[in-house]
Amino acid sequence: GENVEQHPSTLSVQEGDSAVIKCTYSDSASNYFPWYKQELGKGPQLIIDIRSNVGEKKDQRIAVTLNKTAKHFSLHITETQPEDSAVYFCAARLRVESGGGADGLTFGKGTHLIIQP
Amino acid sequence: KAGVTQTPRYLIKTRGQQVTLSCSPISGHRSVSWYQQTPGQGLQFLFEYFSETQRNKGNFPGRFSGRQFSNSRSEMNVSTLELGDSALYLCASSLGSGGNTIYFGEGSWLTVV
Repeated sequence: GENVEQHPSTLSVQEGDSAVIKCTYSDSASNYFPWYKQELGKGPQLIIDIRSNVGEKKDQRIAVTLNKTAKHFSLHITETQPEDSAVYFCAARLRVESGGGADGLTFGKGTHLIIQP
Repeated sequence: KAGVTQTPRYLIKTRGQQVTLSCSPISGHRSVSWYQQTPGQGLQFLFEYFSETQRNKGNFPGRFSGRQFSNSRSEMNVSTLELGDSALYLCASSLGSGGNTIYFGEGSWLTVV
């Protein structure tokens, strides 16, 4: 089955600086890569996702890049703010466009992002 | 539009008991999946339901089961609870099965004593 490795486990950056979280996956058939943000006591919130036919996607201060050859993808957060402090999870899945069943999301272990004021 | 709703939010059970958790997906979503989150194992896929049928199952023992109703609402059941079942149980919904963005609820915190 799929295996997702996520690094680092903890990341501390100064407010206003950029943060980068990296993930690698093992199954070359995976084609859907979402990122979730989880705040204390809450469920994971989807912040951005990317499909394997796209190399990069941006949404304001957040961007995700995908390298299919190397089987790794990264989350980039620019101009970090205190409210960005949370645990971030990457995930991978085989997305079946026809609507057929597919395995569930395989998650990385998470990165605790700390924004220092 | 209301998000994924899970009940109860918190519960405490004794070893050997069983528990049922409920999930209402986002309106219009027909697929519901369940995940277990623990500090040690992280987020792990339990199973996915679409049109009242289990489409996929993760690597969990048969004590973990679920079902989906015609209105897409879902329940999961854990029988013969063990201490290791203490976890945050997350429900997620998507439009269809296998191909759509997945949105999570706030979860049900289960403590087994």
